[in-house]
Amino acid sequence: GAGVSQSPSNKVTEKGKDVELRCDPISGHTALYWYRQSLGQGLEFLIYFQGNSAPDKSGLPSDRFSAERTGGSVSTLTIQRTQQEDSAVYLCASSLLAYEQYFGPGTRLTVT
Amino acid sequence: QKEVEQNSGPLSVPEGAIASLNCTYSDRGSQSFFWYRQYSGKSPELIMSIYSNGDKEDGRFTAQLNKASQYVSLLIRDSQPSDSATYLCAVNGPSGSARQLTFGSGTQLTVLP
Repeated sequence: GAGVSQSPSNKVTEKGKDVELRCDPISGHTALYWYRQSLGQGLEFLIYFQGNSAPDKSGLPSDRFSAERTGGSVSTLTIQRTQQEDSAVYLCASSLLAYEQYFGPGTRLTVT
Repeated sequence: QKEVEQNSGPLSVPEGAIASLNCTYSDRGSQSFFWYRQYSGKSPELIMSIYSNGDKEDGRFTAQLNKASQYVSLLIRDSQPSDSATYLCAVNGPSGSARQLTFGSGTQLTVLP
């Protein structure tokens, strides 16, 4: 079956611009997660959605970051007023059972 | 103190050998443990999950969990050059944040032909 999809695969933006990253989870998966992976920083949790529950935003690094999940499926991660330190690969994952999370291919964000 | 620690490596083994990857975690409330494989430039791929003490085998992979020692390991038997990748240990998050995964920094494995 289809896996997690993300778009765009690459995004180059100028410092100060806003960006939107999209994630389409595996069909039927109720949980959706955003992580980011920076060189030398490892994988960092950002936000978690489970069904209709309030999202767990505890990993968002600043108020410039926000995310929403519409209709319990597709999610958009928005970064406002991008900074160079936001450059990273943004990974989306989804899960159905327990905590087995399956990752999408990621969006490589470069802020110039 | 890091919550999930892995041998940073790099680890090199000859083809056909057993590769042993280790991970320790700090939160005794953790209940779920995962190994992901990540090829260079690609996203992490789930290869093993383990929830109970003991061993879990899947093909050439064996995951071992010891909750008393807060230790989880991955053995790769008959290592192949295609196993060369970074292996990430992941643990479900601190108690109270059970759904998020906390990742180790990864161990880079190279299997030499």
